[in-house]
Amino acid sequence: GESVGLHLPTLSVQEGDNSIINCAYSNSASDYFIWYKQESGKGPQFIIDIRSNMDKRQGQRVTVLLNKTVKHLSLQIAATQPGDSAVYFCAENTGGGANSKLTFGKGITLSVRP
Amino acid sequence: DTEVTQTPKHLVMGMTNKKSLKCEQHMGHRAMYWYKQKAKKPPELMFVYSYEKLSINESVPSRFSPECPNSSLLNLHLHALQPEDSALYLCASSPRTSQEKLFFGSGTQLSVL
Repeated sequence: GESVGLHLPTLSVQEGDNSIINCAYSNSASDYFIWYKQESGKGPQFIIDIRSNMDKRQGQRVTVLLNKTVKHLSLQIAATQPGDSAVYFCAENTGGGANSKLTFGKGITLSVRP
Repeated sequence: DTEVTQTPKHLVMGMTNKKSLKCEQHMGHRAMYWYKQKAKKPPELMFVYSYEKLSINESVPSRFSPECPNSSLLNLHLHALQPEDSALYLCASSPRTSQEKLFFGSGTQLSVL
Protein backbone atom coordinates (compact mmCIF):
# COMPACT_ATOMS: atom_id res chain seq x y z
CA GLY A 1 0.00 0.00 0.00
CA GLU A 2 0.96 3.65 0.02
CA SER A 3 3.45 4.55 2.71
CA VAL A 4 5.84 7.18 3.90
CA GLY A 5 9.07 5.82 5.32
CA LEU A 6 12.52 6.83 6.42
CA HIS A 7 15.75 5.17 5.31
CA LEU A 8 17.47 5.11 8.74
CA PRO A 9 15.99 4.83 12.21
CA THR A 10 18.78 6.81 13.95
CA LEU A 11 21.36 9.39 12.98
CA SER A 12 24.31 10.50 15.10
CA VAL A 13 26.21 13.66 14.13
CA GLN A 14 28.96 15.77 15.62
CA GLU A 15 27.98 19.20 16.89
CA GLY A 16 28.71 21.75 14.19
CA ASP A 17 28.41 19.29 11.32
CA ASN A 18 25.57 19.33 8.81
CA SER A 19 22.80 16.74 9.15
CA ILE A 20 20.80 15.16 6.36
CA ILE A 21 17.63 13.25 7.17
CA ASN A 22 16.03 11.32 4.33
CA CYS A 23 12.49 10.22 3.66
CA ALA A 24 10.94 8.12 0.91
CA TYR A 25 7.31 8.39 -0.08
CA SER A 26 5.31 6.23 -2.43
CA ASN A 27 2.11 8.19 -3.14
CA SER A 28 2.73 10.07 -6.38
CA ALA A 29 -0.49 12.04 -5.77
CA SER A 30 0.96 13.73 -2.68
CA ASP A 31 1.27 17.45 -3.26
CA TYR A 32 2.47 18.87 0.04
CA PHE A 33 5.22 17.70 2.38
CA ILE A 34 6.13 18.72 5.90
CA TRP A 35 8.93 18.06 8.36
CA TYR A 36 8.15 17.96 12.08
CA LYS A 37 10.53 17.85 15.04
CA GLN A 38 9.46 16.16 18.27
CA GLU A 39 11.51 16.67 21.41
CA SER A 40 11.14 14.42 24.41
CA GLY A 41 7.95 15.19 26.33
CA LYS A 42 6.60 17.55 23.69
CA GLY A 43 4.30 17.43 20.71
CA PRO A 44 5.60 17.59 17.13
CA GLN A 45 6.73 21.04 16.07
CA PHE A 46 6.43 22.29 12.47
CA ILE A 47 9.85 22.91 10.92
CA ILE A 48 9.40 23.52 7.21
CA ASP A 49 7.13 22.56 4.35
CA ILE A 50 7.30 22.31 0.57
CA ARG A 51 4.74 21.97 -2.18
CA SER A 52 5.10 19.60 -5.10
CA ASN A 53 5.67 22.45 -7.57
CA MET A 54 8.98 23.24 -5.85
CA ASP A 55 12.18 21.21 -5.45
CA LYS A 56 13.92 23.22 -2.74
CA ARG A 57 12.95 25.51 0.11
CA GLN A 58 15.16 27.14 2.70
CA GLY A 59 14.46 28.25 6.22
CA GLN A 60 16.66 29.30 9.08
CA ARG A 61 19.46 26.68 9.16
CA VAL A 62 17.17 24.15 7.48
CA THR A 63 16.61 23.23 3.85
CA VAL A 64 14.08 20.81 2.44
CA LEU A 65 14.71 19.12 -0.90
CA LEU A 66 12.05 17.32 -2.91
CA ASN A 67 12.83 14.92 -5.75
CA LYS A 68 9.53 13.87 -7.28
CA THR A 69 11.21 11.62 -9.85
CA VAL A 70 12.39 9.21 -7.17
CA LYS A 71 9.81 10.22 -4.56
CA HIS A 72 12.42 11.38 -2.09
CA LEU A 73 12.34 14.13 0.53
CA SER A 74 15.25 15.29 2.64
CA LEU A 75 15.84 17.70 5.49
CA GLN A 76 19.23 19.36 5.78
CA ILE A 77 20.23 21.02 9.04
CA ALA A 78 23.27 23.28 8.90
CA ALA A 79 25.71 23.53 11.82
CA THR A 80 23.81 21.01 13.93
CA GLN A 81 23.40 22.01 17.57
CA PRO A 82 22.60 19.98 20.72
CA GLY A 83 19.11 21.51 20.66
CA ASP A 84 18.49 19.78 17.35
CA SER A 85 18.48 16.40 19.09
CA ALA A 86 14.95 15.05 18.61
CA VAL A 87 12.82 12.69 16.56
CA TYR A 88 12.09 13.99 13.07
CA PHE A 89 9.00 13.00 11.11
CA CYS A 90 8.31 13.64 7.47
CA ALA A 91 4.67 13.81 6.46
CA GLU A 92 2.87 13.89 3.14
CA ASN A 93 -0.48 15.41 2.35
CA THR A 94 -2.74 14.06 -0.37
CA GLY A 95 -5.94 15.60 -1.68
CA GLY A 96 -7.12 19.04 -0.77
CA GLY A 97 -9.45 20.90 1.53
CA ALA A 98 -11.66 18.71 3.68
CA ASN A 99 -10.58 15.64 1.67
CA SER A 100 -6.92 16.04 2.49
CA LYS A 101 -5.11 13.23 4.28
CA LEU A 102 -1.86 13.70 6.17
CA THR A 103 0.36 10.63 6.59
CA PHE A 104 3.38 10.62 8.89
CA GLY A 105 6.55 8.66 8.27
CA LYS A 106 8.07 6.35 10.87
CA GLY A 107 10.41 8.93 12.42
CA ILE A 108 14.18 9.14 12.79
CA THR A 109 16.10 10.02 15.92
CA LEU A 110 18.82 12.65 15.52
CA SER A 111 21.48 12.53 18.23
CA VAL A 112 24.04 15.34 18.38
CA ARG A 113 27.43 14.49 19.92
CA PRO A 114 29.14 17.35 21.81
CA ASP B 1 -0.76 33.41 21.45
CA THR B 2 0.65 30.62 19.23
CA GLU B 3 0.11 27.71 21.58
CA VAL B 4 -2.14 24.73 21.84
CA THR B 5 -2.68 23.97 25.52
CA GLN B 6 -3.59 20.49 26.72
CA THR B 7 -4.65 19.37 30.18
CA PRO B 8 -3.88 17.30 32.09
CA LYS B 9 -0.28 16.52 31.16
CA HIS B 10 -0.48 13.10 32.79
CA LEU B 11 -3.47 10.90 33.58
CA VAL B 12 -3.76 7.49 35.18
CA MET B 13 -7.16 5.84 35.07
CA GLY B 14 -8.77 2.49 35.68
CA MET B 15 -10.77 0.62 33.08
CA THR B 16 -14.07 1.60 34.72
CA ASN B 17 -13.28 5.30 35.07
CA LYS B 18 -14.63 8.21 33.05
CA LYS B 19 -12.23 11.05 32.34
CA SER B 20 -11.84 13.91 29.87
CA LEU B 21 -8.89 15.41 28.05
CA LYS B 22 -9.03 19.10 27.25
CA CYS B 23 -7.44 21.19 24.50
CA GLU B 24 -7.53 24.93 23.89
CA GLN B 25 -6.20 27.23 21.18
CA HIS B 26 -6.63 30.97 20.66
CA MET B 27 -5.08 31.31 17.22
CA GLY B 28 -8.42 31.48 15.44
CA HIS B 29 -7.76 28.15 13.77
CA ARG B 30 -10.84 26.55 12.26
CA ALA B 31 -9.69 22.92 12.32
CA MET B 32 -8.79 20.89 15.42
CA TYR B 33 -7.55 17.34 15.71
CA TRP B 34 -7.00 14.48 18.11
CA TYR B 35 -4.03 12.17 17.51
CA LYS B 36 -2.86 9.09 19.38
CA GLN B 37 0.87 8.37 19.61
CA LYS B 38 2.46 5.20 20.93
CA ALA B 39 6.08 5.28 22.07
CA LYS B 40 8.58 5.50 19.18
CA LYS B 41 5.74 5.63 16.63
CA PRO B 42 4.33 8.45 14.50
CA PRO B 43 1.07 10.17 15.51
CA GLU B 44 -2.11 8.45 14.31
CA LEU B 45 -5.14 10.56 13.44
CA MET B 46 -8.29 9.91 15.46
CA PHE B 47 -10.71 12.78 14.83
CA VAL B 48 -10.91 16.03 12.86
CA TYR B 49 -13.22 18.94 13.60
CA SER B 50 -13.73 21.56 10.90
CA TYR B 51 -15.64 24.69 11.86
CA GLU B 52 -16.72 22.94 15.06
CA LYS B 53 -18.25 19.97 13.23
CA LEU B 54 -16.83 16.46 13.23
CA SER B 55 -15.53 15.87 9.73
CA ILE B 56 -13.31 12.81 10.14
CA ASN B 57 -13.56 9.82 12.49
CA GLU B 58 -10.81 7.32 11.72
CA SER B 59 -12.87 4.33 12.87
CA VAL B 60 -12.10 5.09 16.50
CA PRO B 61 -13.84 2.88 19.12
CA SER B 62 -16.85 4.46 20.80
CA ARG B 63 -15.09 4.45 24.18
CA PHE B 64 -13.43 7.63 22.82
CA SER B 65 -15.96 10.46 22.40
CA PRO B 66 -14.84 13.83 21.02
CA GLU B 67 -16.60 17.13 21.66
CA CYS B 68 -16.02 20.62 20.28
CA PRO B 69 -17.91 23.12 22.53
CA ASN B 70 -16.69 26.14 20.55
CA SER B 71 -14.04 27.17 18.05
CA SER B 72 -11.31 27.33 20.71
CA LEU B 73 -11.98 24.19 22.71
CA LEU B 74 -11.76 20.48 21.99
CA ASN B 75 -12.44 17.69 24.47
CA LEU B 76 -11.92 13.95 24.35
CA HIS B 77 -14.15 11.98 26.71
CA LEU B 78 -12.82 8.61 27.81
CA HIS B 79 -14.89 5.73 29.19
CA ALA B 80 -14.17 2.05 29.77
CA LEU B 81 -10.72 2.21 28.23
CA GLN B 82 -8.42 -0.75 27.82
CA PRO B 83 -4.74 -1.00 28.83
CA GLU B 84 -3.78 -0.93 25.14
CA ASP B 85 -5.25 2.58 24.95
CA SER B 86 -2.32 3.82 27.03
CA ALA B 87 -0.51 6.35 24.85
CA LEU B 88 0.28 10.03 24.34
CA TYR B 89 -2.84 11.86 23.16
CA LEU B 90 -2.04 14.93 21.09
CA CYS B 91 -4.32 17.79 20.18
CA ALA B 92 -3.52 19.94 17.17
CA SER B 93 -5.03 22.84 15.29
CA SER B 94 -4.51 24.30 11.82
CA PRO B 95 -5.48 27.57 10.13
CA ARG B 96 -7.24 25.71 7.31
CA THR B 97 -9.11 22.45 7.06
CA SER B 98 -6.55 20.91 4.74
CA GLN B 99 -4.40 19.45 7.57
CA GLU B 100 -1.52 21.76 6.64
CA LYS B 101 0.80 23.35 9.21
CA LEU B 102 -0.52 21.60 12.26
CA PHE B 103 0.24 23.19 15.62
CA PHE B 104 0.46 20.49 18.29
CA GLY B 105 0.04 20.67 22.03
CA SER B 106 2.42 18.84 24.35
CA GLY B 107 -0.04 16.02 24.81
CA THR B 108 -1.59 14.06 27.66
CA GLN B 109 0.32 10.94 28.65
CA LEU B 110 -2.43 8.46 29.49
CA SER B 111 -1.95 5.24 31.42
CA VAL B 112 -4.86 2.79 31.71
CA LEU B 113 -4.53 0.28 34.51
